[in-house]
Amino acid sequence: DAKTTQPPSMDCAEGRAANLPCNHSTISGNEYVYWYRQIHSQGPQYIIHGLKNNETNEMASLIITEDRKSSTLILPHATLRDTAVYYCIVRVAGTDKLIFGTGTRLQVFP
Amino acid sequence: DVKVTQSSRYLVKRTGEKVFLECVQDMDHENMFWYRQDPGLGLRLIYFSYDVKMKEKGDIPEGYSVSREKKERFSLILESASTNQTSMYLCASSPDRGGYGYTFGSGTRLTVV
Repeated sequence: DAKTTQPPSMDCAEGRAANLPCNHSTISGNEYVYWYRQIHSQGPQYIIHGLKNNETNEMASLIITEDRKSSTLILPHATLRDTAVYYCIVRVAGTDKLIFGTGTRLQVFP
Repeated sequence: DVKVTQSSRYLVKRTGEKVFLECVQDMDHENMFWYRQDPGLGLRLIYFSYDVKMKEKGDIPEGYSVSREKKERFSLILESASTNQTSMYLCASSPDRGGYGYTFGSGTRLTVV
């Protein structure tokens, strides 16, 4: 199963863009990249996913490099409520299994 | 909104007890999952199910079993609880084999004493 590597923690000023990196160098051609986040004491929440192309929704943007070995989640205008642990996940090809890593703890400060 | 409901928020059980953790979803999702979450280890997949009466082992199934008699309900069973099963347990469901449709419950914090 493809694994992901994320920095354990990051800080971001409120109102600024938060750019969360993820390495997935062993990803195979048909494996999707997913991002979830977990706010303290809650279950993880889906944010966005992609295969090759960059994706954007109301929550975030996902930038995937051309070789697909890394990606970046962008929260364009971080708020205090975006403080959470963010998980970058590669879905196991041909299954619905999501294998979570330990994620990045994002702290947004005033 | 899709709701995934876990029957208890907090549970305290004794070593050796048989423990049932219940999870119910109300959106007719085919897939259901059980994870445990421990500090420094992230979420680890215990068992999952793609259909009624069907189950597959995840990464850490030892000491656990599951039951899915109805589509909306997925139970996690600790046959003989041990202290190393003290953890946060999270249930999730999804509508199809797409991964992005995961909806998680709020979790059950189980303490085995």
